[in-house]
Amino acid sequence: KAGVTQTPRYLIKTRGQQVTLSCSPISGHRSVSWYQQTPGQGLQFLFEYFSETQRNKGNFPGRFSGRQFSNSRSEMNVSTLELGDSALYLCASSLVPSAHEQYFGPGTRLTVT
Amino acid sequence: KNQVEQSPQSLIILEGKNCTLQCNYTVSPFSNLRWYKQDTGRGPVSLTIMTFSENTKSNGRYTATLDADTKQSSLHITASQLSDSASYICVVTPGDNTDKLIFGTGTRLQVFP
Repeated sequence: KAGVTQTPRYLIKTRGQQVTLSCSPISGHRSVSWYQQTPGQGLQFLFEYFSETQRNKGNFPGRFSGRQFSNSRSEMNVSTLELGDSALYLCASSLVPSAHEQYFGPGTRLTVT
Repeated sequence: KNQVEQSPQSLIILEGKNCTLQCNYTVSPFSNLRWYKQDTGRGPVSLTIMTFSENTKSNGRYTATLDADTKQSSLHITASQLSDSASYICVVTPGDNTDKLIFGTGTRLQVFP
């Protein structure tokens, strides 16, 4: 059974640009959560989707958005990139919402210059 | 405020030695507590999950304990190996049906030969 996949694995963007990251959950999993991880802040929750609906949202500005498709694949978008957005973005999938066992993908390393 | 604090922030031990990592939380109500291992540049991998009614859970050389009264958990690693070098993250699920996981900032463990 394939694990959670994220694309791309590495990305370099400049300030002001926008970026879209993709996450494919484990087959059969309907819940996808996104996290930002930085050395100083640790893992911070961005948002969670279940059956194409956003269930929860963390304390991030509106520049961070996401969506989930009918096949449970999810994308997150960051517009007007700032230097502080440089981080590892992790996606986690679970059968049902995040209170249950989550499986993380390898992450997308975003560098904003 | 719901918080999860881990100590120490970093730890260096010699191969073959045991070590214990600590996690204190102020989350209430409480549903479950998880320990994750995260290798550098990879996504976290679940080691153990404990509900409030469990006080110990093992996964190979990893043993987690939970004291729900004092709101403390520990992760004990026995006979450490070089491959144990990683960050260990404590995560608490609140019991208030928000499903928003609360992450500790992790303990960075380095095992030297």
